[in-house]
Amino acid sequence: DTGVSQNPRHKITKRGQNVTFRCDPISEHNRLYWYRQTLGQGPEFLTYFQNEAQLEKSRLLSDRFSAERPKGSFSTLEIQRTEQGDSAMYLCASSLMGGETQYFGPGTRLLVL
Amino acid sequence: DQQVKQNSPSLSVQEGRISILNCDYTNSMFDYFLWYKKYPAEGPTFLISISSIKDKNEDGRFTVFLNKSAKHLSLHIVPSQPGDSAVYFCAASAGFYGNKLVFGAGTILRVKS
Repeated sequence: DTGVSQNPRHKITKRGQNVTFRCDPISEHNRLYWYRQTLGQGPEFLTYFQNEAQLEKSRLLSDRFSAERPKGSFSTLEIQRTEQGDSAMYLCASSLMGGETQYFGPGTRLLVL
Repeated sequence: DQQVKQNSPSLSVQEGRISILNCDYTNSMFDYFLWYKKYPAEGPTFLISISSIKDKNEDGRFTVFLNKSAKHLSLHIVPSQPGDSAVYFCAASAGFYGNKLVFGAGTILRVKS
């Protein structure tokens, strides 16, 4: 399977704990995007990378959120000191630079108790 | 502010008939539009797209129409099948904004057999 993969698929954590999610994009794609989706809403943009450079961060991304793509391949999204409001589906997508179509992974569903 | 709006939360259609899903946008910088299909607990699956230089794009049973003057696009599914039942998201992007996607809230399509 050469699509976008995300791990873990589900994560339950207690408030105040740190969590980290991983995204592996389609291998030749140099752009990688993170989105967050809550119930009844469409996905909302969080941040994106072109190769290893993080080019934009949404205002939605508080200081507790950090994302990396150290070698321009996989990416990690870390949430520190989780809050109940962080409960959501976290989606990763990738595309070719200059390509407009993004392909999504299956998502990581986070539940903060 | 909601730059992409899907005003119909749900749509019910009989198998074999046409399904029409609508989407409106406000930002004239958007130059690429996409439709994604989403099943529960899965990531969005790319369906069809259209560039702002076109007014129609067709792929099998799916056709997307773009009316730039009205800032409106629609997705036609003909004939509708029970397997088409899912949530459909309209999304827009602009190269100027790094092609990050702005999504509508989605329309739940139910195709009755």
